[in-house]
Amino acid sequence: SAVISQKPSRDICQRGTSLTIQCQVDSQVTMMFWYRQQPGQSLTLIATANQGSEATYESGFVIDKFPISRPNLTFSTLTVSNMSPEDSSIYLCSVPQGPYGYTFGSGTRLTVV
Amino acid sequence: ILNVEQSPQSLHVQEGDSTNFTCSFPSSNFYALHWYRWETAKSPEALFVMTLNGDEKKKGRISATLNTKEGYSYLYIKGSQPEDSATYLCASPAGGNQFYFGTGTSLTVIP
Repeated sequence: SAVISQKPSRDICQRGTSLTIQCQVDSQVTMMFWYRQQPGQSLTLIATANQGSEATYESGFVIDKFPISRPNLTFSTLTVSNMSPEDSSIYLCSVPQGPYGYTFGSGTRLTVV
Repeated sequence: ILNVEQSPQSLHVQEGDSTNFTCSFPSSNFYALHWYRWETAKSPEALFVMTLNGDEKKKGRISATLNTKEGYSYLYIKGSQPEDSATYLCASPAGGNQFYFGTGTSLTVIP
């Protein structure tokens, strides 16, 4: 299965600033997914990042807040823009592994103060 | 949107105890049920993929069962060890690549 390197692993950020999270996959994948887990909540899909086209956002998530780049088949970034304390979450990238579900990055634990 | 629920939210057990927790999901239009184990600062790790009613899967001391008619899956850990401490997530796909996750059960095994 694919191996994903996700950076940073954690960060503490000031409100109003932005943070960019990177995921590097060791193989080419068509689709990459970005998830968020707020404290006490489920892992929730933010968007699907497809190479060569704009990301597809789920209900409640918008491009201005969570811009995504997908410059090639092994790399993607998610930016959390104009952060507020409500953005404090764990952010995960993942790629599908067919019938085996997903392979995940190790997550970015974000605290906004 | 699929409503996937897990209980309990957290659990503390003594080393050597056996334990189990539950994942419930809508029984209509069922595709599969996935269990993941998520340790702090690590990637969620796939444990089981279950598709058929009555499925039972086992991996060492961890096993899982599936009832698609009533919409639940149980995860069992026999003889819990401190290294079993993690959050256990279940997820169900709604077709395609969209997975819906439960909130997880946080297990702490006390030495």
